Amino acid sequence: GQQLNQSPQSMFIQEGEDVSMNCTSSSIFNTWLWYKQEPGEGPVLLIALYKAGELTSNGRLTAQFGITRKDSFLNISASIPSDVGIYFCAGPGGFGNEKLTFGTGTRLTIIP
Amino acid sequence: DGGITQSPKYLFRKEGQNVTLSCEQNLNHDAMYWYRQDPGQGLRLIYYSQIVNDFQKGDIAEGYSVSREKKESFPLTVTSAQKNPTAFYLCAGSDRNYGYTFGSGTRLTVV
Repeated sequence: GQQLNQSPQSMFIQEGEDVSMNCTSSSIFNTWLWYKQEPGEGPVLLIALYKAGELTSNGRLTAQFGITRKDSFLNISASIPSDVGIYFCAGPGGFGNEKLTFGTGTRLTIIP
Repeated sequence: DGGITQSPKYLFRKEGQNVTLSCEQNLNHDAMYWYRQDPGQGLRLIYYSQIVNDFQKGDIAEGYSVSREKKESFPLTVTSAQKNPTAFYLCAGSDRNYGYTFGSGTRLTVV
């Protein structure tokens, strides 16, 4: 089946630093989604990407749909304490109401 | 407010018992999903349902069962056949635009 590899697995950064993470797929995706999960809660959708090359922002977050359609990137600028959590990429790989495949997650920890 | 409601938030199970986790939605989503999350791990799909009275196994369905008698409800039963049930369970619903909405999860612990 499809596999999504996220890197890095974890990040320890200082408040105010920028963050970059990426996700690669073994097959082509038609949609890329980025979620954030806070401790003890379900993931929440941050950004959705629907077109190769698309660059979309949501506040301090920016995500890009890779040209090859096999990768995506998420950047967080000027990190703040509430950015702590696990960030997941996800994609359906096809059309219609299909189940998502989730990446392995990037755990972000912010050092005061 | 519309959303996915999971209950209970915490659940304790004795060895050999079946337990049922509740998932209700008022978003009118056709599709619903159950995921399992282990500490430090990603999300693994247990079961999913795209219409009422129909559901399919995900990647780790063994030891679990589901039903979809109503559009609003998708309960998950963790049976005694599941040898390592301690985990965080997440229910989600989606529309055709891949807008997954997750519940806040149920943490199941075997005692």
